[in-house]
Amino acid sequence: EAGVAQSPRYKIIEKRQSVAFWCNPISGHATLYWYQQILGQGPKLLIQFQNNGVVDDSQLPKDRFSAERLKGVDSTLKIQPAKLEDSAVYLCASSFEGKNTEAFFGQGTRLTVV
Amino acid sequence: GDSVTQMEGPVTLSEEAFLTINCTYTATGYPSLFWYVQYPGEGLQLLLKATKADDKGSNKGFEATYRKETTSFHLEKGSVQVSDSAVYFCALTSSSGANSKLTFGKGITLSVRP
Repeated sequence: EAGVAQSPRYKIIEKRQSVAFWCNPISGHATLYWYQQILGQGPKLLIQFQNNGVVDDSQLPKDRFSAERLKGVDSTLKIQPAKLEDSAVYLCASSFEGKNTEAFFGQGTRLTVV
Repeated sequence: GDSVTQMEGPVTLSEEAFLTINCTYTATGYPSLFWYVQYPGEGLQLLLKATKADDKGSNKGFEATYRKETTSFHLEKGSVQVSDSAVYFCALTSSSGANSKLTFGKGITLSVRP
């Protein structure tokens, strides 16, 4: 079974530039998560989708971050404009619909803002 | 809101030593509890889980028991190996509502020396 695919693996941009990350979840998984993992910290949930609807985006900095999940499958996360403090690993995960199910993670995109 | 607290790290052990990593949680309702592991250069992967009180999750020689009375889910292994060197994250999913939200602790780095 193919896992969660993310691209790119690495990205370096200058502050105030924009960047986009892509995620393809495991086939059949209705729930998709985007997490931000700053070095030395645990992953922080940015946004959670159920199919193509947003379930939770309470910790998404909406002035600069946006995410969409067209057709309830692939998802993109965008940052515009980027700040130095956005340097982190951005993780995508997916799971089957329902309570307390296991989430499967992609390898992440390491973003460095200089 | 939900939260997970892990003991401060890092932890360095000799091969074949006994391992305990503490984890306590705060959550509404009846959460499921997880331990995720992140090996160097790899993505997060589920190590073990427990979905109700007194359940014991186990995998690869690791064990953790869901203790509702102490709100804890400590990870243990009787004899660690060098290959266990990784970052370990305790996590929970809240059971209220129709969808699960996966909340992580800060993680702890384990280094096992030969």
